[in-house]
Amino acid sequence: GQQVMQIPQYQHVQEGEDFTTYCNSSTTLSNIQWYKQRPGGHPVFLIQLVKSGEVKKQKRLTFQFGEAKKNSSLHITATQTTDVGTYFCAGTGNQFYFGTGTSLTVIP
Amino acid sequence: DSGVTQTPKHLITATGQRVTLRCSPRSGDLSVYWYQQSLDQGLQFLIQYYNGEERAKGNILERFSAQQFPDLHSELNLSSLELGDSALYFCASSRGAGGSPNTGELFFGEGSRLTVL
Repeated sequence: GQQVMQIPQYQHVQEGEDFTTYCNSSTTLSNIQWYKQRPGGHPVFLIQLVKSGEVKKQKRLTFQFGEAKKNSSLHITATQTTDVGTYFCAGTGNQFYFGTGTSLTVIP
Repeated sequence: DSGVTQTPKHLITATGQRVTLRCSPRSGDLSVYWYQQSLDQGLQFLIQYYNGEERAKGNILERFSAQQFPDLHSELNLSSLELGDSALYFCASSRGAGGSPNTGELFFGEGSRLTVL
């Protein structure tokens, strides 16, 4: 079956440092979505990428969709303590396939 | 507030028991998805319903079952509970059936935390 892997599983950064999480699918995806789950909360939609090679920015967050539509990345510039949480990618092929998630800790 | 309502928020029960988790999707959403999240784990897809019909099935145990009613709310039934079933169960809804280039986002409820003792 389809698998979506994310690396790293955990990441600790000092506040102000950059952070990147990578998402890789075993098959080609129609779209890729990114979600953020704050500690004790529920996943919240961040963005959807549709086109091959697409890049989207949301303030300090930059999202990329690979040319082959099998991988994606989320980059946060100058992390803040409000960025703490787990970031999930979700590939939409026939269904929503959530990645394993990257838990981000930001040390003040 | 995502518009997705899950009840109960917390549930403590004993091994061997049966529980029912309920989900009301966002107004206008036809798809309901159930996910299981164990401690520090990812989101394990259980099952999806679209407009009352089962659309996709993931790693759902035979002891678990679900249905979506005509008013589009959904229930997840967990029976013969084991300690390992302790987890956070999320319901999510979306407008469409999912799996298409125009797939919309998922709106998650706040989850039902199940503790099996």
